[in-house]
Amino acid sequence: QVEESGGGLVQPGGSLRLSCATSGITFTVYWMSWVRQAPGKGLEWVANINQDGSEKYYVDSVKGRFTISRDNAKNSLYLQMNSLRAEDTAVYYCAKVTAGRVDYWGQGTLVTVSS
Amino acid sequence: SYVLTQPPSVSVARGQTARITCGGNNIVIKSVHWYQQKPGQAPVLAVYDDSDRPSGIPERFSGSNSGNTATLAISRVEAGDEADYYCQVWDTSSALGVFGGGTKLTVL
Repeated sequence: QVEESGGGLVQPGGSLRLSCATSGITFTVYWMSWVRQAPGKGLEWVANINQDGSEKYYVDSVKGRFTISRDNAKNSLYLQMNSLRAEDTAVYYCAKVTAGRVDYWGQGTLVTVSS
Repeated sequence: SYVLTQPPSVSVARGQTARITCGGNNIVIKSVHWYQQKPGQAPVLAVYDDSDRPSGIPERFSGSNSGNTATLAISRVEAGDEADYYCQVWDTSSALGVFGGGTKLTVL
């Protein structure tokens, strides 16, 4: 199971922290990612983190504003989003990654950036 | 970064074979994955590593990869196959996944 939480309505320039709780998987073995989908648009890979959190990668549009992290003791993944913009409005999916592909998706949490 | 190009839409009659293409520079050297997304739902992995199927995906779904084009084929198309389909590869230069723009499959 993979379940996201923390989405909601936030004003431009504001912050939000997404969480992803996992169960039933050996969390510490896998890379984890956040993938987003703007309303009516396609999928966009946002950020990756390796098994121990020592490697993190971001799409250019969120670099310096978003931070991915994980707590292996809690089997949880996080995405801290700062300086939010209207174009960050999307459903954010927590994704389990195996060999460069997403083999398990959460149901997503909607983030709306609007005044 | 690596760019994947998909046709925005494909239409096929029920019972026929649908083919959805994914273009990329020398894509043959990459492993291509395909996802199915139905309205209001999260994507589901349909084909991985060019042509392998996860458990639970019907044998009607198959994939191939050659030259600059990867293809997802769905044989004996059913109404329930109507969905958006996305191809994806791993971009080693950015250490991120890259998705194609998606193809909406319509079953006539």
